[in-house]
Order: sequence, then structure tokens, then C-alpha cells
Amino acid sequence: DVKVTQSSRYLVKRTGEKVFLECVQDMDHENMFWYRQDPGLGLRLIYFSYDVKMKEKGDIPEGYSVSREKKERFSLILESASTNQTSMYLCASSLILQGWAEAAQPQHFGDGTRLSIL
Amino acid sequence: QQQVKQSPQSLIVQKGGISIINCAYENTAFDYFPWYQQFPGKGPALLIAIRPDVSEKKEGRFTISFNKSAKQFSLHIMDSQPGDSATYFCAAVPDARSNDYKLSFGAGTTVTVRA
Repeated sequence: DVKVTQSSRYLVKRTGEKVFLECVQDMDHENMFWYRQDPGLGLRLIYFSYDVKMKEKGDIPEGYSVSREKKERFSLILESASTNQTSMYLCASSLILQGWAEAAQPQHFGDGTRLSIL
Repeated sequence: QQQVKQSPQSLIVQKGGISIINCAYENTAFDYFPWYQQFPGKGPALLIAIRPDVSEKKEGRFTISFNKSAKQFSLHIMDSQPGDSATYFCAAVPDARSNDYKLSFGAGTTVTVRA
């Protein structure tokens, strides 16, 4: 069974801090994603990566960066945390299948990191 | 601005009833529509997906209905059970010609099934 593990369930940080959120998947999936989930807004894509050292901006990349040095690990970085980045952060992975659309959809999610910026 | 509009925001249904969640979109480049189910404290899980070349897809008690001309699709949960209580998200993916492979999610519907 595929497992996507996020390093922290809850995290509290202060404004201006550099924050690292870590995600590891154990199924050798090519694609990894970082989403942000806010009430009434659904899930919004921050960044995704389709290969080691490759990354693509999602819909809301401002204030974030990512790192993928190894295939199984995808890190989200808040360069200088602000209170409007308080949210639930979800990591996901997917396998490149035959179809374009199936590759685009995250198939397996972690359980999320609830981040509070004070 | 959400590209996929989902309604209702929440619904309550009696055990054994039918839960219906509706989604609508404008972008005609969308051509793949997955649904996700999320339980409290957990990440979303892929539930069922449909392409617009079929009007209906059924998996167990879950059915997606698709109306391409109206640009609408819906999830029906038949014989709803308390274990179906969760938040459901519809989503859409543009086709390959658009060169945009990002999923657009609806805002989510919280379903509560009363025993």
C-alpha cells in the first residue's frame, strides 16, 4: 500500500521564520505535489515536481519554494513565513501512467500538516 | 477564482438516502473529472473518475453522472451510510493539448449521514 508521510501533523512557527515541510513517499512515484487546503477554497496547488530536481509552479507559488533532491522526498519551504500562510498543507504523489490526465491527478495524499504562523 | 464550482457546501442525509453533489465548469479544455473523499484528519483519497465520452460511471454505491453540453457533473451516493460521512471534492484536468496539467478542485461538500 502506498504511503505518503508528512513529517509533522501540527506545526507552530513565527512570522519571518523559514519553515520546512517534508514529505516522503515509498512507492517510487515520479510525480509529487504540494497543496494548500483552506475552508471554502478546496485544494490549491502550490508546486509540483515530475522528476528529481524538476519543479513546476502551481496556482499559488508566491512565498513558497520547493526542493526535490531525491525521488522519494519533496520539501516545501516557506521562505519568510507570514500569517496568511496559516493553513493545512497536503503532499501527494502519483505514478506516470499511460494517460495524461491520470498523471496529472494526485493519487495518494499524506494526512496533512496543519501549520500555524503566529 | 475557482474554475470548478461545487454545491452544496454541506448536506445532511438519512441513512439509506441518496446524497447528491453537483459541480459545474466553464473551461471546455477540461476532459477528465476525478472525485476525492476526505475523512477528518486524513488526506483526500481518489474515489472515482470519469471522462466526458461517457455519461455515467458507477462504482459500488458511487455514481458519477456527466452532462457535457451543460458542463456539469455530479456524484450520487446511493444508500448512504454513516461511514460515508466525509468531505467530497470534485476536480477537473485540462486535456493534453492545453499543456496545462494542473487539477482544479471544487470547494468541497461536507456530507453527514445520520443513522
